[in-house]
Amino acid sequence: AQSVTQPDIHITVSEGASLELRCNYSYGATPYLFWYVQSPGQGLQLLLKYFSGDTLVQGIKGFEAEFKRSQSSFNLRKPSVHWSDAAEYFCAVGALGGGADGLTFGKGTHLIIQP
Amino acid sequence: DGGITQSPKYLFRKEGQNVTLSCEQNLNHDAMYWYRQDPGQGLRLIYYSQIVNDFQKGDIAEGYSVSREKKESFPLTVTSAQKNPTAFYLCASSYGTRKGNEQFFGPGTRLTVL
Repeated sequence: AQSVTQPDIHITVSEGASLELRCNYSYGATPYLFWYVQSPGQGLQLLLKYFSGDTLVQGIKGFEAEFKRSQSSFNLRKPSVHWSDAAEYFCAVGALGGGADGLTFGKGTHLIIQP
Repeated sequence: DGGITQSPKYLFRKEGQNVTLSCEQNLNHDAMYWYRQDPGQGLRLIYYSQIVNDFQKGDIAEGYSVSREKKESFPLTVTSAQKNPTAFYLCASSYGTRKGNEQFFGPGTRLTVL
């Protein structure tokens, strides 16, 4: 069965500093990978996705992520965080033609921004 | 604009009552999903539907029921059998497995049992 691990429950970063959120997945088929962001009391918004091709994908709000098949990872990065980036971040995995029950989500990483 | 709507945003329920949460989408998506979110638990799948008039139980279906009479609508009923229903509920939709199940989410409904 597929699984997604986000090792960091909370991360605190100073405003203006760089950010990396970790995501490791376990999936037998070729994975489709996603990062979502959730502000308090809101739904999830898609930041970026990887289906195929270039392993470095760009998303909205200045985020990027790199797919590393050898490490089964899909880490999210941002060069300089803003206070508005404080939110919950979820990594998810799916597959073309598989998993009728949809995506498998990690438990999330709560990002705190220090002034 | 296309999107997913959930109503109400806040819902209060007395012990022993059934309540229904609404989810509507105009994205022409085939698949729809209901998730429950509790602090520190991430998203847990309650029910999903890949096509009209068909739905499947997810990981935590006990105490919940759904229907899928129309492609656009996937209401969730929280029954009195659900022992701890206070949570944040998220509805999502997707084109299904044809596009890797990329999901689009509604704004959520917060249910509180009084």
